[in-house]
Amino acid sequence: GAGVSQTPSNKVTEKGKYVELRCDPISGHTALYWYRQSLGQGPEFLIYFQGTGAADDSGLPNDRFFAVRPEGSVSTLKIQRTERGDSAVYLCASSLNLGDPKQFFGPGTRLTVL
Amino acid sequence: AQRVTQPEKLLSVFKGAPVELKCNYSYSGSPELFWYVQYSRQRLQLLLRHISRESIKGFTADLNKGETSFHLKKPFAQEEDSAMYYCAFTSGSARQLTFGSGTQLTVLP
Repeated sequence: GAGVSQTPSNKVTEKGKYVELRCDPISGHTALYWYRQSLGQGPEFLIYFQGTGAADDSGLPNDRFFAVRPEGSVSTLKIQRTERGDSAVYLCASSLNLGDPKQFFGPGTRLTVL
Repeated sequence: AQRVTQPEKLLSVFKGAPVELKCNYSYSGSPELFWYVQYSRQRLQLLLRHISRESIKGFTADLNKGETSFHLKKPFAQEEDSAMYYCAFTSGSARQLTFGSGTQLTVLP
């Protein structure tokens, strides 16, 4: 079956604009994770969902970042008033459930804020 | 603070030589440790978990709680092993992964 997919693969925006990044997890996976990877660093946790609810959003850097998963499948990461420091690769991962630590990653969305 | 340290950003070895990628963690409880790998132009994927005690593609890793280490080893490196390797862990009830900064392994012919 298909793996985790993310769209767009690349997004270039201007400082101050709003962006949405989409993640489509593996069918049947109830747990979904968002990470951010800056140049030269490992992925850093942002938020994860079990079903429709955000189980832990402690990694979101500030209130400009928000994520939803309204139907328990596709998730959207939303960034308001983008800043140059938001430029990074945003990774999504899913696992069968929160008790399963094996996470499958998507290809990422490269966000560039000019 | 919970942290994973990979001291080598770059590591080069010749084909057929042994390779060891170092990983140390700081956590007072019982973590679950992982190695993830990213080949060129591919997505991040799980290589192995300490709890499985398995060998994948000839790689092994042993959790040493005394030294808080989880080094990745392979006795005879192959050119196709060239990739970025990330050590990661989950802890307690937290299900998210905490990653190290990665080691770029290059296996020379």
